[in-house]
Amino acid sequence: GENVEQHPSTLSVQEGDSAVIKCTYSDSASNYFPWYKQELGKRPQLIIDIRSNVGEKKDQRIAVTLNKTAKHFSLHITETQPEDSAVYFCAASMGTNAGKSTFGDGTTLTVKP
Amino acid sequence: DAMVIQNPRYQVTQFGKPVTLSCSQTLNHNVMYWYQQKSSQAPKLLFHYYDKDFNNEADTPDNFQSRRPNTSFCFLDIRSPGLGDAAMYLCATSRNRPGQGLGEQFFGPGTRLTVL
Repeated sequence: GENVEQHPSTLSVQEGDSAVIKCTYSDSASNYFPWYKQELGKRPQLIIDIRSNVGEKKDQRIAVTLNKTAKHFSLHITETQPEDSAVYFCAASMGTNAGKSTFGDGTTLTVKP
Repeated sequence: DAMVIQNPRYQVTQFGKPVTLSCSQTLNHNVMYWYQQKSSQAPKLLFHYYDKDFNNEADTPDNFQSRRPNTSFCFLDIRSPGLGDAAMYLCATSRNRPGQGLGEQFFGPGTRLTVL
């Protein structure tokens, strides 16, 4: 089955700096890669996603890059703000006919004011 | 508003006493999931329904069962809760589009289960 590894497990940055979180996956059939943000005590919510036919996607301060050959994808947050502090999970889904995503272990991001 | 609803939000049960958690959705999504999330950990997939097809994860204990009587509702039954089953249980839905594959998962607010 799919295996997703996420690094780092914790990340602390100063407000205004950039943050990068990286994930690798094992199943070359995976074709959908979402990133979820989970604030303390709340549900995970999608912040950005990318499909395997695209190499990069950007939404304001957030961007995701995908390298299919190397089987890794990364989340980039620029101009970080204290409200970006949360746990971020990457995930990979196994092809067009499968129903599930495999989650990474999460990265706790702390943005210091 | 379209959403994923979980009831109850907090559930307290006794060791060994069966409990049922419920999830409903107004999104008409064909895939529904149950996750277990313990403190500071990633959501752990227990099982999912792809339409009516039930898919159990290999490491999901037999103590956990699920029912999906229709598109909108899904239930998680814990037959004999142990202390280790205390956790947040998250329901999620997604739509698998033909030719495109899986889409975003929409999570419910979760049910926090306490086992005494």
